[in-house]
Amino acid sequence: EVQLVESGGGLVQPGGSLRLSCAASGFTFDTYWMGWVRQAPGKGLEWVANIKQDGSETYSVDSMKGRFTISRDNAKNSLYLQMNSLRVDDTAVYYCARYTFIVPRTFDSWGQGTLVTVSS
Amino acid sequence: DIVMTQTPLSSPVTLGQPASISCRSSQSLVHSDGNTYLSWLQQRPGQPPRLLIYKVSNRFSGVPDRVSGSGAGTDFTLKISRVEAEDVGVYYCMQAKQFPLTFGQGTKVEIK
Repeated sequence: EVQLVESGGGLVQPGGSLRLSCAASGFTFDTYWMGWVRQAPGKGLEWVANIKQDGSETYSVDSMKGRFTISRDNAKNSLYLQMNSLRVDDTAVYYCARYTFIVPRTFDSWGQGTLVTVSS
Repeated sequence: DIVMTQTPLSSPVTLGQPASISCRSSQSLVHSDGNTYLSWLQQRPGQPPRLLIYKVSNRFSGVPDRVSGSGAGTDFTLKISRVEAEDVGVYYCMQAKQFPLTFGQGTKVEIK
C-alpha cells in the first residue's frame, strides 16, 4: 500500500523558513516523480512543485521560485520542500503526492497533509 | 498558463439523482503525444484529494462505475449517475499537459 506521510509543518513568523518532509513507502520511490500541492484554508488546490525521479529536473510555480525549493533523497525514500521568506499567504495545508509523469500524468496518491501557518 | 474553469461551483443533488460538473480549459489539453491529460479528483470533507479519473475518461482503481468522465479538447465533464452519500465533497479538474499544473476552482457537491 502506498503511504505518504508529511511532517515539518507548524507556526512560523513572516519572513521565516520551514522545511517540509514527506516519507514514502509501499512503492519504489526512485521510479516516480513526486510533487507538492497546497490548499489555503477554505480554498482550492494549488500546485507548488514537481521533481523528477533522480532530482535532475524540477518545476515550480513562478510565484514561488526563489523562495521554495523541492528536493528528494532516494536513499531515504523522502521528499522535501524548503520554504524561505514565508508570507502570510503561504498559510496552507501542504500535500505530498506521487506523480506519474509518463502516461497518465496525474497525482495518483496523496498524503494527509501538513499545516503551515505563517503569522506574527 | 492554462486556466481551468469549472461550473457550477456548487451542486445540491438529491440522493439517487445524477450530478454533472463541467470543466473548460483556456487552451486545448491535447498533448503532442496525442494524449489528453485531464484528471478529476475528489476531496471529501476533512480528507486529502483522491484521484477519480485520469486522461479524461479512465477510472482509477476502486472508483465505482457510476462515476464517469468525458470530453475532448477544451471541454470536459464529470458525471455521477446516481449520487450517494459518499459522493459529498469538492471535485477538481486538473490539467497536466504542461507546467505549471493547474486546477479548476472546485465544485462542491452536497445533498439537498
